[in-house]
Amino acid sequence: AQRVTQPEKLLSVFKGAPVELKCNYSYSGSPELFWYVQYSRQRLQLLLRHISRESIKGFTADLNKGETSFHLKKPFAQEEDSAMYYCALTRGESGYSTLTFGKGTMLLVSP
Amino acid sequence: DTGVSQDPRHKITKRGQNVTFRCDPISEHNRLYWYRQTLGQGPEFLTYFQNEAQLEKSRLLSDRFSAERPKGSFSTLEIQRTEQGDSAMYLCASSLAGAGDTQYFGPGTRLTVL
Repeated sequence: AQRVTQPEKLLSVFKGAPVELKCNYSYSGSPELFWYVQYSRQRLQLLLRHISRESIKGFTADLNKGETSFHLKKPFAQEEDSAMYYCALTRGESGYSTLTFGKGTMLLVSP
Repeated sequence: DTGVSQDPRHKITKRGQNVTFRCDPISEHNRLYWYRQTLGQGPEFLTYFQNEAQLEKSRLLSDRFSAERPKGSFSTLEIQRTEQGDSAMYLCASSLAGAGDTQYFGPGTRLTVL
């Protein structure tokens, strides 16, 4: 069975500092990896997915199959980045799309 | 608002009662998912539909849980004989197969079982 691990419950940084939210996964096949974000009093929303290789709101994430990691990074944190971040995966099989989530990391960016 | 909607947003019930939640997906989406989230955890998959067919159910979904999507549009999730351990946020998501399949989430229904 697949599993997603986010080792940090809380990450607290100052505005302008670099951010790295860690995500490790276990799955024997070729998964698709995602980062979802939930801002205060808002619904869960997709931030980015590895196949898109995009930078969203200054965040990037690279899939490292050797280390089975998909860490989320941003060079300069902003106060509006404060939110709950969830790493998730789906099995990269045709027609399969259900998500397995990690427990989440709360990011707090202080002024 | 054309996003995923869920009703009710909050439900308080007594142990042993039955409850039913509704999810209305984004109109053109053919896939619909139910997840459950408890405090300090990420969402956990319960079940999913493609059109009206229920294609997968998690082992988390006990016999007291049943979900339907009768016409391939809205879905209902019913919990019979609720237990205190059923207290959680129940999330619905929808996606369009073959179009990136990005899941869009609803606001959730928070269930409290007393």
